[in-house]
Amino acid sequence: KAGVTQTPRYLIKTRGQQVTLSCSPISGHRSVSWYQQTPGQGLQFLFEYFSETQRNKGNFPGRFSGRQFSNSRSEMNVSTLELGDSALYLCASSSVVSTDTQYFGPGTRLTVL
Amino acid sequence: ILNVEQSPQSLHVQEGDSTNFTCSFPSSNFYALHWYRWETAKSPEALFVMTLNGDEKKKGRISATLNTKEGYSYLYIKGSQPEDSATYLCASQKTSYDKVIFGPGTSLSVIP
Repeated sequence: KAGVTQTPRYLIKTRGQQVTLSCSPISGHRSVSWYQQTPGQGLQFLFEYFSETQRNKGNFPGRFSGRQFSNSRSEMNVSTLELGDSALYLCASSSVVSTDTQYFGPGTRLTVL
Repeated sequence: ILNVEQSPQSLHVQEGDSTNFTCSFPSSNFYALHWYRWETAKSPEALFVMTLNGDEKKKGRISATLNTKEGYSYLYIKGSQPEDSATYLCASQKTSYDKVIFGPGTSLSVIP
């Protein structure tokens, strides 16, 4: 069974630009969660999607948005990038809801210059 | 406790030593406690999910206990090996459909 995949793996953008990250969950998994990891901050929850609906949302500004498609693939968008958005963005999928074991992707390393 | 906390922040042990870490979480509205291991350059990997007070889980040399009434969980590693070097994360969940909130992690280095 293929694992969670994320594209791209690395990204360099400049302030003010926008970026879209993609996550393909494990086949059959319907829940996708997104996390931001910055040094010293640990994993910060962004949002969770289940059956194309946002189920949970973390405490991030509206510049961070996401969506999920009917095949459970998810995208995360960050508009008007700031230097502080530089981070590792991880997505995780689980079979039904996030109580189940979450399987993490390799992450996308975003650098904002 | 309002957030998920972990201690110590980092730990250096000799190969063969046994060690343990603590995860503290809000004891009210508790549903589940997750433990993950995150090795450098890899993705976080699930170790355990625990839901019941008094739960004990074991996977090889690693075990975990859960006390939901006082809001803490211990992770034990018996006879640490260099391959155990990683950051160990715990995460708490209030309800079955709630978000998973991670602690800052404990970084373990096992010295050969």
